[in-house]
Amino acid sequence: LAKTTQPISMDSYEGQEVNITCSHNNIATNDYITWYQQFPSQGPRFIIQGYKTKVTNEVASLFIPADRKSSTLSLPRVSLSDTAVYYCLAYNQGGKLIFGQGTELSVKP
Amino acid sequence: NAGVTQTPKFRILKIGQSMTLQCTQDMNHNYMYWYRQDPGMGLKLIYYSVGAGITDKGEVPNGYNVSRSTTEDFPLRLELAAPSQTSVYFCASSTGTDNHEQYFGPGTRLTVT
Repeated sequence: LAKTTQPISMDSYEGQEVNITCSHNNIATNDYITWYQQFPSQGPRFIIQGYKTKVTNEVASLFIPADRKSSTLSLPRVSLSDTAVYYCLAYNQGGKLIFGQGTELSVKP
Repeated sequence: NAGVTQTPKFRILKIGQSMTLQCTQDMNHNYMYWYRQDPGMGLKLIYYSVGAGITDKGEVPNGYNVSRSTTEDFPLRLELAAPSQTSVYFCASSTGTDNHEQYFGPGTRLTVT
């Protein structure tokens, strides 16, 4: 049974780099891993997606090792406005979407 | 573009009542999804659709039904509301299998008492 596991919470300070790792076993071998950000009382917002190795966009980087058993979201130089819950999302072997339980990131001044 | 819109924003139901949560997207996306999010928890997929006339079960489909008669609309039906269905419901849409960027609606907060 596919499952994604993330740390429940993380603390950081403004200006630091934050890395959030999601472990995912038994996910589909040929599909993307995606990360979302969610603020209170809002729907999740897409951050980044990748299939393997490294992907970078204007807000984050995503590192996926060759075995694809985990992925790491990297947020460079976080600010107070990055305080949110971060979710990883993947397909299991049966083709069903599975959200992680989310990591609550708290950025302090 | 309005993106993904959901109605109502809030609703209180009595046990055994039924209701339909509405979801509309104006981005011509083929894929649409319904999730529920219980307090302090992650999202769980209820149902999804890959195009008009095609729907499939997600992780937690029991107690819900969906239909997809048009590309734009994907309503979620609760037939016999139960307290366990108290949750926030999010609808989302995306272009398809090669792009998992889902656009989420603002959510419907449902309480069943």
